Amino acid sequence: GENVEQHPSTLSVQEGDSAVIKCTYSDSASNYFPWYKQELGKGPQLIIDIRSNVGEKKDQRIAVTLNKTAKHFSLHITETQPEDSAVYFCAASKTSGGYQKVTFGTGTKLQVIP
Amino acid sequence: DGGITQSPKYLFRKEGQNVTLSCEQNLNHDAMYWYRQDPGQGLRLIYYSQIVNDFQKGDIAEGYSVSREKKESFPLTVTSAQKNPTAFYLCATTGSSERGALNTGELFFGEGSRLTVL
Repeated sequence: GENVEQHPSTLSVQEGDSAVIKCTYSDSASNYFPWYKQELGKGPQLIIDIRSNVGEKKDQRIAVTLNKTAKHFSLHITETQPEDSAVYFCAASKTSGGYQKVTFGTGTKLQVIP
Repeated sequence: DGGITQSPKYLFRKEGQNVTLSCEQNLNHDAMYWYRQDPGQGLRLIYYSQIVNDFQKGDIAEGYSVSREKKESFPLTVTSAQKNPTAFYLCATTGSSERGALNTGELFFGEGSRLTVL
């Protein structure tokens, strides 16, 4: 089955600096790579995603890159703000038997220090 | 307001008791999922359902049961057979609310239920 590894598990940055979170996956059939942000005591929420036919996608301060050959993808947050503090999960997904088979990374706790 | 409602938010259980967690959605999504979250771990799939009256085991189904009698509802029962039930449980959906529209694959999550076994 799919295996997703995520690093680092914790990350502290100064406000205004950039944060980078990296993930690798094992199943070449995975074709959809979402990133979720989870605030304390809440459910995760999609912040950005990328499909396997795209190498990079950007949405304001957030960008995601995908290297299909190496099977890794990364989340980049620029100009970090205190409200970016949360746990971030990467995931690798494929359609299997009509449903979305999603495998999550173990999460990165990001702390932005004011 | 469209969304997913999970209840209760917090639940305490004595060992040997079954408990049922509620998940209701008004997004008109077809597929519903239950995930378990433990500290320092990713989300792990317990059960999923693509349509009414049909559901499939996920990666960690032992000690859990579900039903899908209505499109809007997908309750999860944590039975006494679950050896380590203390966790944060998340319900999610995927699907398009519009007929023929593309299912993007995005998971929509509820706010979770935290179960503690005393």
